[in-house]
Amino acid sequence: SQQGEEDPQALSIQEGENATMNCSYKTSINNLQWYRQNSGRGLVHLILIRSNEREKHSGRLRVTLDTSKKSSSLLITASRAADTASYFCATDNSGAGSYQLTFGKGTKLSVIP
Amino acid sequence: GAGVSQSPSNKVTEKGKDVELRCDPISGHTALYWYRQSLGQGLEFLIYFQGNSAPDKSGLPSDRFSAERTGGSVSTLTIQRTQQEDSAVYLCASRPLSSYNEQFFGPGTRLTVL
Repeated sequence: SQQGEEDPQALSIQEGENATMNCSYKTSINNLQWYRQNSGRGLVHLILIRSNEREKHSGRLRVTLDTSKKSSSLLITASRAADTASYFCATDNSGAGSYQLTFGKGTKLSVIP
Repeated sequence: GAGVSQSPSNKVTEKGKDVELRCDPISGHTALYWYRQSLGQGLEFLIYFQGNSAPDKSGLPSDRFSAERTGGSVSTLTIQRTQQEDSAVYLCASRPLSSYNEQFFGPGTRLTVL
């Protein structure tokens, strides 16, 4: 079953604007990760936030995690055309004995030059 | 360094035929995963290998699907008697033992069953 659910499903912005994507999940997690996928092929790991962290930065990326609301957000600042891709959140429930990542359906981001 | 590689990149087959998809993980990565991604959807977990432990096969959708990992490295996903609903991108990922489960993905194999 899908653990993470992203919204919006699709987002279109102008280059230079910020893009915010949200992810909600259902069960307790060890960590939450965000991945990017270009053209329906391999995923690239972007950032990981552990369950005891609230905010994390990596370059133009900012991730927040609210475990009380079981939600996370990914902010991409000063977007570029090259950021056009699908973005997926994935939850790690390894503490429950499973080493799977459970992925949402993704947000398709289009950055218009 | 070399990333995860998968072959073939594209596979077109006829309904009822068997197919084999190959994954070469990053050298030294002990864990290997197979996922399936249907058009416009998220990733569906299929199977997980970790070292010499018994694989976690809980995501395999039917007994037509099987996978093996030889020598703790290369893995092959086999789909027997393919059906049209098997059409999808099959993604392989690997990770080192000491990680927070951050996974490194291959480019995928796009399978089309006619």
